[in-house]
Amino acid sequence: ETGVTQSPTHLIKTRGQQVTLRCSSQSGHNTVSWYQQALGQGPQFIFQYYREEENGRGNFPPRFSGLQFPNYSSELNVNALELDDSALYLCASSLGGGGKSYEQYFGPGTRLTVT
Amino acid sequence: DAKTTQPTSMDCAEGRAANLPCNHSTISGNEYVYWYRQIHSQGPQYIIHGLKNNETNEMASLIITEDRKSSTLILPHATLRDTAVYYCIVLEYNNNDMRFGAGTRLTVKP
Repeated sequence: ETGVTQSPTHLIKTRGQQVTLRCSSQSGHNTVSWYQQALGQGPQFIFQYYREEENGRGNFPPRFSGLQFPNYSSELNVNALELDDSALYLCASSLGGGGKSYEQYFGPGTRLTVT
Repeated sequence: DAKTTQPTSMDCAEGRAANLPCNHSTISGNEYVYWYRQIHSQGPQYIIHGLKNNETNEMASLIITEDRKSSTLILPHATLRDTAVYYCIVLEYNNNDMRFGAGTRLTVKP
């Protein structure tokens, strides 16, 4: 059984740029959730994808967008990067029916630094 | 905003039981209690969840009070590897907005 993987591990971007982060879900899981974790804080829910459709969104602006592919892997895209976007971005997969399973399996995260 | 209140930090001696409390006084009837932990530099790890009854698995036990306004996560024999931040989360079963608070930083000491 393959766990959740994320790439890249670390990334440095400049304010105003765009970034794409990638996540491969655990084998057999059809739901992917993305979280932002600022230093010293708990993870904040960005959005969730279930069978390639967005299935709920937290309090994040539209410049945060995502995709889920037929193999259930996912991308998080952030446009017009701001300094406050610097954080650890976590991906979690689960076997859900419209988001009904919260035994989520998290990846190791991507550390994004915006300068 | 998280719907739970947890102590900021706790210590526990290695080999002893670690009891982590969580207050969720505004919990509604269809909300579950979930526990996750995050070891430094890793993603959060699911531990256990429950609705009304006490639950036990290979990692921990979850004790939920009869009025469901609080719960306790019990690690029966804490090891140094259990040092982590522990998050208590309440969530409706069909809601996907999992809100982590600041959690409890548990330090297991030799």
